[in-house]
Amino acid sequence: DGGITQSPKYLFRKEGQNVTLSCEQNLNHDAMYWYRQDPGQGLRLIYYSQIVNDFQKGDIAEGYSVSREKKESFPLTVTSAQKNPTAFYLCASSKIRGTNEKLFFGSGTQLSVL
Amino acid sequence: RKEVEQDPGPFNVPEGATVAFNCTYSNSASQSFFWYRQDCRKEPKLLMSVYSSGNEDGRFTAQLNRASQYISLLIRDSKLSDSATYLCVVNKGGSYIPTFGRGTSLIVHP
Repeated sequence: DGGITQSPKYLFRKEGQNVTLSCEQNLNHDAMYWYRQDPGQGLRLIYYSQIVNDFQKGDIAEGYSVSREKKESFPLTVTSAQKNPTAFYLCASSKIRGTNEKLFFGSGTQLSVL
Repeated sequence: RKEVEQDPGPFNVPEGATVAFNCTYSNSASQSFFWYRQDCRKEPKLLMSVYSSGNEDGRFTAQLNRASQYISLLIRDSKLSDSATYLCVVNKGGSYIPTFGRGTSLIVHP
């Protein structure tokens, strides 16, 4: 079955530590996205990529980094510069050719600070 | 003004009621519109795409009003299982970047 796989489901970060969230898709989608969701809030865009080896900052990129070395993979690193990283992180992918570019989501990663 | 705005609710309705949500967007060049449903601490799932001519899927009807820049979702004959947060998503015109509203919470009670 095609889909998006995020791991881990839960992650804990210590002070000053970088952590990496994994996102893999086998839908052959060009575009991939990372969103952050805080309790009672909507999804805010961190980074997105529409082609391999290229990515763009979203609305809240500070303290995060990404890479897109393969079409299938779009890992997100939460760096020590992100002072308030506790949130629910969602990875998504979509086609970008034509119209009606609906998003397919992974099951999310809950990141907490120790 | 936020790019995509929704009333967060909660909307608290009895089973069998009809409930409607609106979502306004600021970019007149926006091209694609969607409603997603999200259960607590789960990933959003696509409920409906929203077309210019409006579309219906069972108890759910979505409408787009380009002149006033809003989309709507109507749920008829509400079920307990409809309790969730409903997210409005608008793709920025020409760039395919999805932007989310903060969501509207629906609680259907017996």
